[in-house]
Amino acid sequence: AQSVTQLGSHVSVSEGALVLLRCNYSSSVPPYLFWYVQYPNQGLQLLLKYTTGATLVKGINGFEAEFKKSETSFHLTKPSAHMSDAAEYFCAVSSQGGSEKLVFGKGTKLTVNP
Amino acid sequence: DAGVIQSPRHEVTEMGQEVTLRCKPISGHDYLFWYRQTMMRGLELLIYFNNNVPIDDSGMPEDRFSAKMPNASFSTLKIQPSEPRDSAVYFCASSVAGKLFFGSGTQLSVL
Repeated sequence: AQSVTQLGSHVSVSEGALVLLRCNYSSSVPPYLFWYVQYPNQGLQLLLKYTTGATLVKGINGFEAEFKKSETSFHLTKPSAHMSDAAEYFCAVSSQGGSEKLVFGKGTKLTVNP
Repeated sequence: DAGVIQSPRHEVTEMGQEVTLRCKPISGHDYLFWYRQTMMRGLELLIYFNNNVPIDDSGMPEDRFSAKMPNASFSTLKIQPSEPRDSAVYFCASSVAGKLFFGSGTQLSVL
């Protein structure tokens, strides 16, 4: 079975500060890892995904995540937060490269303070 | 493309009533998923279809829940009879080539 743990249900940063959202996964097979963002009253949108190859993955809106197998982590970062980044972020894991049977974390709500 | 379209946007009903949620996936997508989102349990996969065929319904909570996909452009999730604990946001999503697109969800409140 696969699972995802997102550390911190709420994260607050100042505008311009580093954003770090933590995600640890558990998987008995090589994982495929995803980050999704959900803005209020909207569905989830894909930010980035890791399948194979380069462990540092770049996504939309300046976000990136690094797959660290030894730490079973896939933390999401952005060097400089913008007010428009305020949203809820979900990490997800799958045993397949597609979207089948994605297992989502509980989410981390990011607040950006002016 | 208009994206994944869900209706209704909001549904308020009384316990015991039948509820039908509707979804139109993005044209050309071969997978369709139904998710439920609550504060307590987060985002849960209820069922998914591949080329209109149900592949895995292990997430459907009870026999009160049923889902159909009669053709490539339409799916329904039905709850009969509905209960207050079914109150949640229900998302439909479709995918192709591994990229998942979500609808805006249906906010269901069962009183």
